[in-house]
Amino acid sequence: AQSVTQPDIHITVSEGASLELRCNYSYGATPYLFWYVQSPGQGLQLLLKYFSGDTLVQGIKGFEAEFKRSQSSFNLRKPSVHWSDAAEYFCAVVGSGTDKLIFGTGTRLQVFP
Amino acid sequence: NAGVMQNPRHLVRRRGQEARLRCSPMKGHSHVYWYRQLPEEGLKFMVYLQKENIIDESGMPKERFSAEFPKEGPSILRIQQVVRGDSAAYFCASSPPPRSSYNEQFFGPGTRLTVL
Repeated sequence: AQSVTQPDIHITVSEGASLELRCNYSYGATPYLFWYVQSPGQGLQLLLKYFSGDTLVQGIKGFEAEFKRSQSSFNLRKPSVHWSDAAEYFCAVVGSGTDKLIFGTGTRLQVFP
Repeated sequence: NAGVMQNPRHLVRRRGQEARLRCSPMKGHSHVYWYRQLPEEGLKFMVYLQKENIIDESGMPKERFSAEFPKEGPSILRIQQVVRGDSAAYFCASSPPPRSSYNEQFFGPGTRLTVL
């Protein structure tokens, strides 16, 4: 069965520092992968997605992610974090059959000034 | 073009009451997904519907939960005889009719259910 693991429950960084959020997936075929961001009390906003092609994907708000098949990973990165990036980040993979999304448990990002 | 609408945004129910959560998909979208987010957890798939048809309900609890998406009107997630463990955020997502190998889902703001 497909699954997504986000090993880091909580990450704290200083504003201006670089960021990498880890995501590992389990899927038999080429996966469709996503990163979403959720601000407190809000819904989910799509940051970026990978379907095929170039393994380095650019998203909104200066985020990027790299698909590495050999490591079954799809880590999210940002070169310089802003205080407004503090939120919960979810990695997801599309399950087989009906397009339902399978989410990781999320990583909560805290940004210090 | 309005996004996915969910109402109410917050719902409080006492144990044993019924909860009805509504989801209006984006214009032109005919497919709806419901997900549940328990406190401190990720979202879990519940059910996938198109108008007048349930496509996949593999994530729905076997009892007390039901979902519909009628020809006219919003999709409804109904929870009968709520218990404290039903307290969660319930998110709806919509997608257009299938045209490719994957159709992006657009999420609503969620309904936060609290069971007292």
